[in-house]
Amino acid sequence: GENVEQHPSTLSVQEGDSAVIKCTYSDSASNYFPWYKQELGKGPQLIIDIRSNVGEKKDQRIAVTLNKTAKHFSLHITETQPEDSAVYFCAARKTSYDKVIFGPGTSLSVIP
Amino acid sequence: DVKVTQSSRYLVKRTGEKVFLECVQDMDHENMFWYRQDPGLGLRLIYFSYDVKMKEKGDIPEGYSVSREKKERFSLILESASTNQTSMYLCASSLGPIQGYTFGSGTRLTVV
Repeated sequence: GENVEQHPSTLSVQEGDSAVIKCTYSDSASNYFPWYKQELGKGPQLIIDIRSNVGEKKDQRIAVTLNKTAKHFSLHITETQPEDSAVYFCAARKTSYDKVIFGPGTSLSVIP
Repeated sequence: DVKVTQSSRYLVKRTGEKVFLECVQDMDHENMFWYRQDPGLGLRLIYFSYDVKMKEKGDIPEGYSVSREKKERFSLILESASTNQTSMYLCASSLGPIQGYTFGSGTRLTVV
């Protein structure tokens, strides 16, 4: 079955710097890759997603890139702010009715 | 705004009790999910449902059951609570294929 790995497990950056979180997946048939942000005491929130027919997607300060050949995808956060501090999860899914497989999470700390 | 509401934020139950965790969504979503989240283990799927009265086992269904009598409500049942079921429980819903999840805020269950 699908396996999603995520690195790093923790990440500290200075406010204003960029943060990059990388994920790899094992099943080349996976075609949907969402990213979730979980703030302390809250449930995960979808922040951006990408489908396999697209190589890159941007939404203001966040962007996701997908390399299908290498089976990896990355989340890029530019101009980080303290409110970006949270746990970020990547995920992958193969078909509409397959389970979404989550990565183990990255704890991002943005230092003011 | 789309909402997934979990009935309790915190619960403390005794070993052997039957426990009901309730989840309601107001978005007319077809798909609903129950996850548990534990440190170092990430998000693990317990059960999911793609339609009323339909349920499918996830990765860790042992000791749990679910009920979906109405489209908007998905209940997780711990038949006989045990201390190893102490965890954060997250409910999620999605509209359908290739759609992200909307998570509830979670129920932190402690079994003593």
